Amino acid sequence: GIQVEQSPPDLILQEGANSTLRCNFSDSVNNLQWFHQNPWGQLINLFYIPSGTKQNGRLSATTVATERYSLLYISSSQTTDSGVYFCAVLTGGTSYGKLTFGQGTILTVHP
Amino acid sequence: DTGVSQDPRHKITKRGQNVTFRCDPISEHNRLYWYRQTLGQGPEFLTYFQNEAQLEKSRLLSDRFSAERPKGSFSTLEIQRTEQGDSAMYLCASSLGQGTNEQFFGPGTRLTVL
Repeated sequence: GIQVEQSPPDLILQEGANSTLRCNFSDSVNNLQWFHQNPWGQLINLFYIPSGTKQNGRLSATTVATERYSLLYISSSQTTDSGVYFCAVLTGGTSYGKLTFGQGTILTVHP
Repeated sequence: DTGVSQDPRHKITKRGQNVTFRCDPISEHNRLYWYRQTLGQGPEFLTYFQNEAQLEKSRLLSDRFSAERPKGSFSTLEIQRTEQGDSAMYLCASSLGQGTNEQFFGPGTRLTVL
């Protein structure tokens, strides 16, 4: 099956810093989503971005499907950005209904 | 607009007992998914429904696990004869299934098997 790798596994920042999280995947995909998992375990949708670039406030994401990677940018980080960030990909064919997740990036933002 | 809801939020049970979880998807979403997440890992796919039809099951879903979506609305996930290895967060998600397959997740049910 498809492999999804996220880097870095851990990231520690001071408030106000910028960061880039990376997601590499091993095969072509139909869908890519970025999530933020809060301390209570809820997965919050950040981006649905199978290709191209999207921005939402201080967050933006770029997916280059032909090169099989996606980037999540966080600017002017805040303590509330802390948590685990997951990317997940969905492939076509018989696995059409399944998201495959990476292992996540644990982000800690200090005041 | 209510999101995906799950019940209960927490469940503690003794090994060998049966447990059942419920998921209510976003209304009008015809696709429903179950995932399992263990500590330090990303969620892993368990099963997927389109309306009431169960279209895919992971090999993670042993014979002790069964899922239903009888009227194409809410779904239940039952685990029989629970084992300590079943301790995990069980997540439900739904998607509209028309033109977009963006999945939205519920808050999860945290299962602890003693």
